[in-house]
Amino acid sequence: DTAVSQTPKYLVTQMGNDKSIKCEQNLGHDTMYWYKQDSKKFLKIMFSYNNKELIINETVPNRFSPKSPDKAHLNLHINSLELGDSAVYFCASSLNLPGDSYEQYFGPGTRLTVT
Amino acid sequence: GQQVMQIPQYQHVQEGEDFTTYCNSSTTLSNIQWYKQRPGGHPVFLIQLVKSGEVKKQKRLTFQFGEAKKNSSLHITATQTTDVGTYFCFNQAGTALIFGKGTTLSVSS
Repeated sequence: DTAVSQTPKYLVTQMGNDKSIKCEQNLGHDTMYWYKQDSKKFLKIMFSYNNKELIINETVPNRFSPKSPDKAHLNLHINSLELGDSAVYFCASSLNLPGDSYEQYFGPGTRLTVT
Repeated sequence: GQQVMQIPQYQHVQEGEDFTTYCNSSTTLSNIQWYKQRPGGHPVFLIQLVKSGEVKKQKRLTFQFGEAKKNSSLHITATQTTDVGTYFCFNQAGTALIFGKGTTLSVSS
């Protein structure tokens, strides 16, 4: 069984479109995250939810909106896609709050290409 | 803001040679974690260091946390082709989650 899953794995779309990425974890973790990895492999935290509550909201354009319907799911919706949004987006989860020093489990990633 | 500097950015070795990547911070770190990302894959947790001067080993991998808790290293002895990938250090302090920029290791046989 996959611990952290993301859909879709690949997403190719045109500028201006709106798209969503979905993430699910079956580990029973309380905290979930979205990271963006750029072409230089730099990993940057975007958002984190703990038990459906937003706890980390980094400086990210408001075109990005996360939603957590329950603690096992964290989705990312992106409006008006731009070329600079092209990247790999990773979902991750951990047992407890950030700062509690728990390891993170990452999903396989969603490679977003905006043309 | 807090930063974790990681060097080198790239390292190429011959199979059998050793490899080391370093992470440095200007501030004291409460803990440091190391992750490995294979080409085309996702980051996978390797280890966490918490105590000053801590040294942990996993087979050919040796992880160290500096006495001042401002630096850490990952050393691989006798690299193998299965070691290729990008190694990241990571620190979390409250809601500040910082990955180093990673060291990409390539190994030729």
